[in-house]
Amino acid sequence: AQKITQTQPGMFVQEKEAVTLDCTYDTSDPSYGLFWYKQPSSGEMIFLIYQGSYDQQNATEGRYSLNFQKARKSANLVISASQLGDSAMYFCAMSRSNYGGSQGNLIFGKGTKLSVKP
Amino acid sequence: DSGVTQTPKHLITATGQRVTLRCSPRSGDLSVYWYQQSLDQGLQFLIQYYNGEERAKGNILERFSAQQFPDLHSELNLSSLELGDSALYFCASSGSGSYQETQYFGPGTRLLVL
Repeated sequence: AQKITQTQPGMFVQEKEAVTLDCTYDTSDPSYGLFWYKQPSSGEMIFLIYQGSYDQQNATEGRYSLNFQKARKSANLVISASQLGDSAMYFCAMSRSNYGGSQGNLIFGKGTKLSVKP
Repeated sequence: DSGVTQTPKHLITATGQRVTLRCSPRSGDLSVYWYQQSLDQGLQFLIQYYNGEERAKGNILERFSAQQFPDLHSELNLSSLELGDSALYFCASSGSGSYQETQYFGPGTRLLVL
């Protein structure tokens, strides 16, 4: 069964430093997508970055990059130059290609709470 | 702003009652997803609709039902509510429901069952 594991319940980082949030996944599907979402204390879910299973290069979006290691089934999020506004919960999620009629719905990890210290 | 709207933002009700949560997807998106976020279960997929038809079901209770209307807005109906149904309910939308598409989430409806 598909599963997302985020092993870091909470992390601290100093403002302006880089931080890596870990995510490992388990799937037997050859085609899948990997996503990171940010959830501030206000509750909304904000899309950050996407990596497709066939993408050769790691995805980048501004200060966010995804360190995709397919053989190790890991999709770690790297945030460079942390800002106070980066303090939030971060969720790793996986979607799968059409399988048994189910396509696209996301499976989420339990999240990592990031706190940025001034 | 993701472009996905959800109403109401907050809902307080009593056990045994029925409520309806409403979602309007982003303009042009045909696929709507419902998710439940609770402290003990985390974020769980409930159900997906595509262009008015049910496409996939997740961990949705029989007391819950949903539909997507011709104008593509969707409603999630929760009945015979229990204390454990208290959660944040998200609607998300994407264009065609492909696994490669980003799902954009609405602000959520926070449900409290007393």
